[in-house]
Amino acid sequence: RKEVEQDPGPFNVPEGATVAFNCTYSNSASQSFFWYRQDCRKEPKLLMSVYSSGNEDGRFTAQLNRASQYISLLIRDSKLSDSATYLCVVNERLDFGNEKLTFGTGTRLTIIP
Amino acid sequence: NAGVTQTPKFRVLKTGQSMTLLCAQDMNHEYMYWYRQDPGMGLRLIHYSVGEGTTAKGEVPDGYNVSRLKKQNFLLGLESAAPSQTSVYFCASSPVDYGYTFGSGTRLTVV
Repeated sequence: RKEVEQDPGPFNVPEGATVAFNCTYSNSASQSFFWYRQDCRKEPKLLMSVYSSGNEDGRFTAQLNRASQYISLLIRDSKLSDSATYLCVVNERLDFGNEKLTFGTGTRLTIIP
Repeated sequence: NAGVTQTPKFRVLKTGQSMTLLCAQDMNHEYMYWYRQDPGMGLRLIHYSVGEGTTAKGEVPDGYNVSRLKKQNFLLGLESAAPSQTSVYFCASSPVDYGYTFGSGTRLTVV
């Protein structure tokens, strides 16, 4: 089983719609969680962190369910500029303060005019 | 403030050749990482460093070596390139309390 699993998509969504992505992780000791965005042929960039209480940044809402080992990202009022691949990322704290980020393979989103 | 700079951006190697990829960061970050990204595989950690003079193996270290002689630089070496090492390589850095910044990537093709 992959450590971080995402639906690869593609998700083709009309502009203005709401879209949700899900991600599951296998390591219950994972300590922090993120969503990264990656545009075609570009580097990943941090979109937002994910907290147990849920957090919102403008049109983006992230949720974490530790019991089910499940992370979600909701995008409201989607824009053409939201077209990208969204990576679910899980951080494990290793020994001596080292950390390891494990990346999902990403969910591709295309917003259609 | 350049952030994380990778050189070169593109390279074509013949099987058996060697090369070094350079990653430089100007943010005084302690941690640096090398990842490779392949279609359908996601980003996989090759090697990482938690400070100047230290290195550690990641998930897929075979065929690669690294060095961190200066805090701002993290070098990834391929001693004898193989077609299986065709990939996009990303360097990243972070402060001790995380927050990765990625470089723009190096596209390597081994023929």
